[in-house]
Amino acid sequence: AQRVTQPEKLLSVFKGAPVELKCNYSYSGSPELFWYVQYSRQRLQLLLRHISRESIKGFTADLNKGETSFHLKKPFAQEEDSAMYYCALRGNQGGKLIFGQGTELSVKP
Amino acid sequence: DTEVTQTPKHLVMGMTNKKSLKCEQHMGHRAMYWYKQKAKKPPELMFVYSYEKLSINESVPSRFSPECPNSSLLNLHLHALQPEDSALYLCASSQDPASGLTDTQYFGPGTRLTVL
Repeated sequence: AQRVTQPEKLLSVFKGAPVELKCNYSYSGSPELFWYVQYSRQRLQLLLRHISRESIKGFTADLNKGETSFHLKKPFAQEEDSAMYYCALRGNQGGKLIFGQGTELSVKP
Repeated sequence: DTEVTQTPKHLVMGMTNKKSLKCEQHMGHRAMYWYKQKAKKPPELMFVYSYEKLSINESVPSRFSPECPNSSLLNLHLHALQPEDSALYLCASSQDPASGLTDTQYFGPGTRLTVL
Protein backbone atom coordinates (compact mmCIF):
# COMPACT_ATOMS: atom_id res chain seq x y z
CA ALA A 1 0.00 0.00 0.00
CA GLN A 2 1.13 3.54 -0.75
CA ARG A 3 0.78 5.77 2.25
CA VAL A 4 2.23 8.93 3.79
CA THR A 5 2.07 9.51 7.53
CA GLN A 6 2.64 12.81 9.29
CA PRO A 7 2.20 11.95 12.95
CA GLU A 8 1.94 15.50 14.29
CA LYS A 9 -1.19 17.53 13.52
CA LEU A 10 0.23 20.59 15.24
CA LEU A 11 3.78 21.56 16.08
CA SER A 12 4.44 24.66 18.12
CA VAL A 13 7.95 26.07 18.63
CA PHE A 14 9.52 29.36 19.64
CA LYS A 15 11.34 31.59 17.20
CA GLY A 16 14.95 30.55 16.85
CA ALA A 17 14.33 26.97 17.97
CA PRO A 18 15.08 24.00 15.73
CA VAL A 19 12.12 22.38 14.05
CA GLU A 20 11.58 18.92 12.60
CA LEU A 21 8.38 17.92 10.83
CA LYS A 22 8.12 14.16 10.56
CA CYS A 23 7.09 12.24 7.47
CA ASN A 24 7.07 8.48 7.02
CA TYR A 25 6.03 6.68 3.88
CA SER A 26 5.05 3.25 2.69
CA TYR A 27 5.90 2.45 -0.93
CA SER A 28 7.23 -0.53 -2.83
CA GLY A 29 9.80 0.84 -5.23
CA SER A 30 11.89 3.98 -5.46
CA PRO A 31 9.85 6.79 -3.92
CA GLU A 32 9.56 10.32 -5.20
CA LEU A 33 8.92 12.58 -2.24
CA PHE A 34 7.98 16.21 -1.88
CA TRP A 35 7.26 18.77 0.79
CA TYR A 36 4.57 21.33 0.02
CA VAL A 37 3.74 24.37 2.16
CA GLN A 38 0.49 26.29 2.39
CA TYR A 39 0.67 29.70 4.05
CA SER A 40 -2.57 31.24 5.28
CA ARG A 41 -4.75 32.23 2.31
CA GLN A 42 -2.04 31.34 -0.21
CA ARG A 43 -1.67 28.61 -2.76
CA LEU A 44 -0.03 25.29 -2.07
CA GLN A 45 3.63 25.76 -2.96
CA LEU A 46 6.38 23.28 -3.59
CA LEU A 47 9.04 23.58 -0.90
CA LEU A 48 11.40 20.68 -1.58
CA ARG A 49 11.83 17.63 -3.79
CA HIS A 50 14.00 14.81 -2.55
CA ILE A 51 15.80 14.46 -5.87
CA SER A 52 16.98 18.08 -5.74
CA ARG A 53 18.78 17.77 -2.40
CA GLU A 54 18.46 21.53 -2.05
CA SER A 55 17.79 23.90 0.82
CA ILE A 56 14.85 26.28 0.45
CA LYS A 57 14.13 29.00 3.04
CA GLY A 58 16.58 27.21 5.32
CA PHE A 59 14.65 23.93 5.19
CA THR A 60 16.25 20.62 4.27
CA ALA A 61 14.90 17.10 3.99
CA ASP A 62 16.83 13.88 3.59
CA LEU A 63 15.37 10.68 2.29
CA ASN A 64 16.16 7.78 4.62
CA LYS A 65 15.15 4.60 2.82
CA GLY A 66 16.07 2.40 5.78
CA GLU A 67 13.63 4.23 8.05
CA THR A 68 11.26 5.11 5.18
CA SER A 69 11.32 8.71 6.30
CA PHE A 70 11.61 12.14 4.72
CA HIS A 71 11.63 14.51 7.69
CA LEU A 72 11.73 18.27 7.12
CA LYS A 73 14.20 20.22 9.24
CA LYS A 74 15.20 23.78 9.91
CA PRO A 75 17.82 24.77 12.49
CA PHE A 76 16.28 28.12 13.47
CA ALA A 77 12.55 28.63 13.00
CA GLN A 78 11.16 32.04 12.00
CA GLU A 79 7.67 33.41 12.62
CA GLU A 80 7.07 33.55 8.87
CA ASP A 81 7.51 29.76 8.74
CA SER A 82 4.10 29.36 10.39
CA ALA A 83 2.03 27.44 7.86
CA MET A 84 0.57 24.05 6.99
CA TYR A 85 3.15 21.57 5.69
CA TYR A 86 2.27 18.53 3.60
CA CYS A 87 4.55 15.64 2.77
CA ALA A 88 3.62 13.95 -0.51
CA LEU A 89 4.59 10.80 -2.35
CA ARG A 90 4.33 10.46 -6.09
CA GLY A 91 2.78 7.09 -6.70
CA ASN A 92 3.13 4.80 -9.66
CA GLN A 93 -0.29 5.69 -11.07
CA GLY A 94 0.09 8.40 -13.68
CA GLY A 95 1.52 11.17 -11.55
CA LYS A 96 -0.92 10.81 -8.67
CA LEU A 97 0.30 12.56 -5.51
CA ILE A 98 -0.45 10.91 -2.18
CA PHE A 99 -0.51 13.49 0.59
CA GLY A 100 0.00 13.08 4.30
CA GLN A 101 -2.57 14.63 6.64
CA GLY A 102 -0.42 17.70 7.13
CA THR A 103 1.32 19.32 10.08
CA GLU A 104 0.43 22.82 11.15
CA LEU A 105 3.59 24.61 12.26
CA SER A 106 3.16 27.53 14.63
CA VAL A 107 6.26 29.60 15.41
CA LYS A 108 5.76 31.83 18.43
CA PRO A 109 7.73 35.04 19.03
CA ASP B 1 4.12 32.91 -17.41
CA THR B 2 5.04 30.50 -14.63
CA GLU B 3 1.77 30.26 -12.78
CA VAL B 4 -1.42 28.30 -12.74
CA THR B 5 -4.42 30.63 -12.66
CA GLN B 6 -7.96 29.81 -11.58
CA THR B 7 -11.25 31.67 -11.93
CA PRO B 8 -13.38 32.57 -10.18
CA LYS B 9 -11.73 33.07 -6.79
CA HIS B 10 -15.00 32.55 -4.97
CA LEU B 11 -18.28 30.98 -6.07
CA VAL B 12 -21.59 30.64 -4.27
CA MET B 13 -24.20 28.46 -5.90
CA GLY B 14 -27.51 26.83 -5.14
CA MET B 15 -28.08 23.11 -5.42
CA THR B 16 -29.95 23.49 -8.70
CA ASN B 17 -27.42 25.76 -10.40
CA LYS B 18 -24.94 24.91 -13.14
CA LYS B 19 -21.56 26.59 -12.95
CA SER B 20 -18.01 26.06 -14.20
CA LEU B 21 -14.55 26.47 -12.74
CA LYS B 22 -11.69 27.40 -15.01
CA CYS B 23 -7.97 26.70 -14.82
CA GLU B 24 -5.23 27.90 -17.13
CA GLN B 25 -1.48 27.40 -17.44
CA HIS B 26 0.99 28.58 -20.06
CA MET B 27 4.03 26.62 -18.96
CA GLY B 28 3.68 24.02 -21.70
CA HIS B 29 2.67 21.39 -19.17
CA ARG B 30 0.89 18.36 -20.59
CA ALA B 31 -0.78 17.11 -17.42
CA MET B 32 -3.48 18.91 -15.47
CA TYR B 33 -5.24 17.96 -12.26
CA TRP B 34 -8.32 18.79 -10.19
CA TYR B 35 -8.19 18.44 -6.42
CA LYS B 36 -10.73 19.10 -3.69
CA GLN B 37 -9.50 20.44 -0.35
CA LYS B 38 -11.45 20.82 2.88
CA ALA B 39 -10.20 23.12 5.64
CA LYS B 40 -6.95 21.93 7.28
CA LYS B 41 -7.06 18.69 5.26
CA PRO B 42 -4.80 17.56 2.44
CA PRO B 43 -5.91 17.92 -1.17
CA GLU B 44 -7.86 14.95 -2.53
CA LEU B 45 -7.29 14.08 -6.15
CA MET B 46 -10.39 14.13 -8.35
CA PHE B 47 -9.23 13.97 -11.99
CA VAL B 48 -6.05 13.84 -14.04
CA TYR B 49 -5.72 14.80 -17.69
CA SER B 50 -2.62 13.75 -19.56
CA TYR B 51 -2.14 15.07 -23.09
CA GLU B 52 -5.73 16.29 -23.04
CA LYS B 53 -7.13 12.86 -22.29
CA LEU B 54 -8.72 11.86 -19.00
CA SER B 55 -6.31 9.41 -17.40
CA ILE B 56 -7.54 9.21 -13.80
CA ASN B 57 -11.04 9.62 -12.35
CA GLU B 58 -11.00 8.96 -8.63
CA SER B 59 -14.61 7.73 -8.57
CA VAL B 60 -15.91 11.28 -8.49
CA PRO B 61 -19.72 11.71 -8.58
CA SER B 62 -21.10 12.61 -12.00
CA ARG B 63 -22.29 16.00 -10.76
CA PHE B 64 -18.63 16.98 -11.34
CA SER B 65 -17.70 16.90 -15.03
CA PRO B 66 -14.18 17.77 -16.18
CA GLU B 67 -13.23 19.06 -19.58
CA CYS B 68 -9.87 19.75 -21.19
CA PRO B 69 -10.47 21.82 -24.36
CA ASN B 70 -6.74 22.21 -25.04
CA SER B 71 -3.39 21.66 -23.37
CA SER B 72 -3.52 25.00 -21.52
CA LEU B 73 -7.07 24.92 -20.25
CA LEU B 74 -8.98 22.77 -17.79
CA ASN B 75 -12.61 23.22 -16.78
CA LEU B 76 -14.73 21.65 -14.08
CA HIS B 77 -18.46 21.77 -14.75
CA LEU B 78 -20.69 21.64 -11.71
CA HIS B 79 -24.35 20.63 -11.62
CA ALA B 80 -26.75 19.73 -8.83
CA LEU B 81 -24.12 19.96 -6.12
CA GLN B 82 -24.70 19.23 -2.46
CA PRO B 83 -23.74 21.43 0.51
CA GLU B 84 -21.03 18.89 1.44
CA ASP B 85 -19.33 19.71 -1.88
CA SER B 86 -18.39 23.10 -0.44
CA ALA B 87 -14.59 23.20 -0.45
CA LEU B 88 -11.53 24.76 -2.05
CA TYR B 89 -11.06 23.35 -5.55
CA LEU B 90 -7.46 23.31 -6.65
CA CYS B 91 -6.05 22.94 -10.11
CA ALA B 92 -2.48 21.80 -10.71
CA SER B 93 -0.30 21.15 -13.70
CA SER B 94 2.90 19.23 -14.34
CA GLN B 95 5.24 18.77 -17.25
CA ASP B 96 4.51 15.13 -17.99
CA PRO B 97 3.70 12.33 -15.53
CA ALA B 98 5.65 9.91 -17.70
CA SER B 99 8.81 12.01 -17.40
CA GLY B 100 9.70 10.36 -14.13
CA LEU B 101 11.59 12.10 -11.39
CA THR B 102 11.51 15.52 -13.00
CA ASP B 103 7.73 15.79 -12.88
CA THR B 104 6.50 18.22 -10.23
CA GLN B 105 2.98 19.53 -9.73
CA TYR B 106 2.38 23.26 -9.47
CA PHE B 107 -0.86 24.45 -7.91
CA GLY B 108 -3.23 27.30 -8.61
CA PRO B 109 -4.70 29.47 -5.84
CA GLY B 110 -7.99 27.61 -5.88
CA THR B 111 -11.67 28.46 -6.16
CA ARG B 112 -13.54 28.59 -2.88
CA LEU B 113 -16.92 27.04 -3.56
CA THR B 114 -19.93 27.37 -1.29
CA VAL B 115 -23.05 25.35 -2.06
CA LEU B 116 -26.21 26.60 -0.38
